[in-house]
Amino acid sequence: EPEVTQTPSHQVTQMGQEVILRCVPISNHLYFYWYRQILGQKVEFLVSFYNNEISEKSEIFDDQFSVERPDGSNFTLKIRSTKLEDSAMYFCASREGLAGGGEQFFGPGTRLTVL
Amino acid sequence: AQKITQTQPGMFVQEKEAVTLDCTYDTSDQSYGLFWYKQPSSGEMIFLIYQGSYDEQNATEGRYSLNFQKARKSANLVISASQLGDSAMYFCAMRVNTGFQKLVFGTGTRLLVSP
Repeated sequence: EPEVTQTPSHQVTQMGQEVILRCVPISNHLYFYWYRQILGQKVEFLVSFYNNEISEKSEIFDDQFSVERPDGSNFTLKIRSTKLEDSAMYFCASREGLAGGGEQFFGPGTRLTVL
Repeated sequence: AQKITQTQPGMFVQEKEAVTLDCTYDTSDQSYGLFWYKQPSSGEMIFLIYQGSYDEQNATEGRYSLNFQKARKSANLVISASQLGDSAMYFCAMRVNTGFQKLVFGTGTRLLVSP
């Protein structure tokens, strides 16, 4: 069964460093999302991406964040200068289309720890 | 704005018993979708069940069923015949019908199944 994959599973970085979180969505999916979950809290939407453009972003997704689909398979989230409060689990999700149920398939997440 | 409320921070159930996890939602949209995800201690988000706002019948997936009461704006998850492996966090989520249909999550319910 096809699945969303994410690498690395755990990233530890120093405050102020840049990190890139990588995702490989399901191959025929067209819509891509990043969510984050601070430890013990609910999952929060960051950004949605379609046709090589950001379609929506939350107030969390400030100028320190960027997303890219550098090739036909990878979808990346970059944090330019990490802060302590960026420590969280980051989930990538993808969906095939907007019709019907439109279930979003989540990857296993990347746990980011900023020291 | 769309909102999901899960009022049970924790629930306990004995193995083989049924349990209901509560979820209420708030939206002014006529068309929307409701999802339940399971998050085990390993952290991944596992899709369980989906209910569309126009679906006349309650959704069922194996041991999971969704008790959808549209007038009350509730979408409770019922797990029948609980198993030890059902111990996890459970999140209710709503698909927002703007843009590219991000998900809005509730705060989750931690379910503990005891032998």
